[in-house]
Amino acid sequence: DAKTTQPNSMESNEEEPVHLPCNHSTISGTDYIHWYRQLPSQGPEYVIHGLTSNVNNRMASLAIAEDRKSSTLILHRATLRDAAVYYCILGGSGNTPLVFGKGTRLSVIA
Amino acid sequence: EAQVTQNPRYLITVTGKKLTVTCSQNMNHEYMSWYRQDPGLGLRQIYYSMNVEVTDKGDVPEGYKVSRKEKRNFPLILESPSPNQTSLYFCASSFQIGGPYEQYFGPGTRLTVT
Repeated sequence: DAKTTQPNSMESNEEEPVHLPCNHSTISGTDYIHWYRQLPSQGPEYVIHGLTSNVNNRMASLAIAEDRKSSTLILHRATLRDAAVYYCILGGSGNTPLVFGKGTRLSVIA
Repeated sequence: EAQVTQNPRYLITVTGKKLTVTCSQNMNHEYMSWYRQDPGLGLRQIYYSMNVEVTDKGDVPEGYKVSRKEKRNFPLILESPSPNQTSLYFCASSFQIGGPYEQYFGPGTRLTVT
């Protein structure tokens, strides 16, 4: 299974942009790149996903490297509510469930 | 409102007393899944189901059973709970497995087995 590598933790100041990196050097051509986050005491929630092109939605932006071996989740203005564990996951086209790693714990400082 | 519901949200039980945690989704999703989350170990998949009457083991299936008799429900059964099954459990669903499909998670069930 293609795996992802993320830093264990990151810190950001409130109202600053945050760039959360993810490496997935063994990604296959049909794997989608998903990002989820888990706020304290809650279940994970979907943030964004993409295949090859950069993607934007109301929560975040996803920048995907041209070779697709890495991606970056961008929170444009971090708020205290964005403090969470962020998971980068690959979703393949076969009958393979998403596998959650340990993610990156983002702390936001007021 | 699209949602995944789990019951109960909190449960304290004793070793060996059979229990069921229910999971229901209202989005007509084919794929449903159970995870457990333990400190330092992240989310680990217990069982998943790609459709009615189709279930498969995840990474940590020992000590658990599931059934999928209806599309909307996917109960998790612990026939003889043990203290090492004390954990936070999440149910999830999506239109289909993998690919571009977003997974929706329930609020979690915190289980303590004494």
